[in-house]
Amino acid sequence: DAKTTQPNSMESNEEEPVHLPCNHSTISGTDYIHWYRQLPSQGPEYVIHGLTSNVNNRMASLAIAEDRKSSTLILHRATLRDAAVYYCILRDVGAGNNRKLIWGLGTSLAVNP
Amino acid sequence: DAGITQSPRHKVTETGTPVTLRCHQTENHRYMYWYRQDPGHGLRLIHYSYGVKDTDKGEVSDGYSVSRSKTEDFLLTLESATSSQTSVYFCAISEGGGELFFGSGTQLSVL
Repeated sequence: DAKTTQPNSMESNEEEPVHLPCNHSTISGTDYIHWYRQLPSQGPEYVIHGLTSNVNNRMASLAIAEDRKSSTLILHRATLRDAAVYYCILRDVGAGNNRKLIWGLGTSLAVNP
Repeated sequence: DAGITQSPRHKVTETGTPVTLRCHQTENHRYMYWYRQDPGHGLRLIHYSYGVKDTDKGEVSDGYSVSRSKTEDFLLTLESATSSQTSVYFCAISEGGGELFFGSGTQLSVL
């Protein structure tokens, strides 16, 4: 399965937008782009996913490049509760389960008050 | 929040002793997974289950066994714990290839 590349860490100020990048240059046409985040001392939680088009939900927006080789998770107004490690993961649309997901180290986001 | 409970939340044990971690779900999801998380590594899959009594190995299965006798319970056993198995263990569930829901984790220390 294809891997992703993310910056190790990023910093933001409270109430400002945050753009978390992810490179996935070897993405295949059948790979979904998933984002999870992990708050301190908790298990990861799902944030958003997309295939080709940009996606929005109550937590974030996902912007996918036209060639699909990169994507950006957008937090529109960062709060202190958004301080977490954010993971960008690819999942084959034909996969019947999640056993082949490759979890990297993600991006550790710090939010300053 | 998805109904996933891991027990115990914390465990300290000695090298060579058996340890069993429990994952309990109330979502009736078909798939259950055990991961470990260590500094410098992403989440690594230990074992997963695709149904009652149906399990398979993940990438770091050596030294671990699992059992699933009921849909809602997935047990991870360290037959003879070693210091290299000191880690945070997460259980997760999913319905097919959909969204993963994780438990709160078990911090295991093997002395």
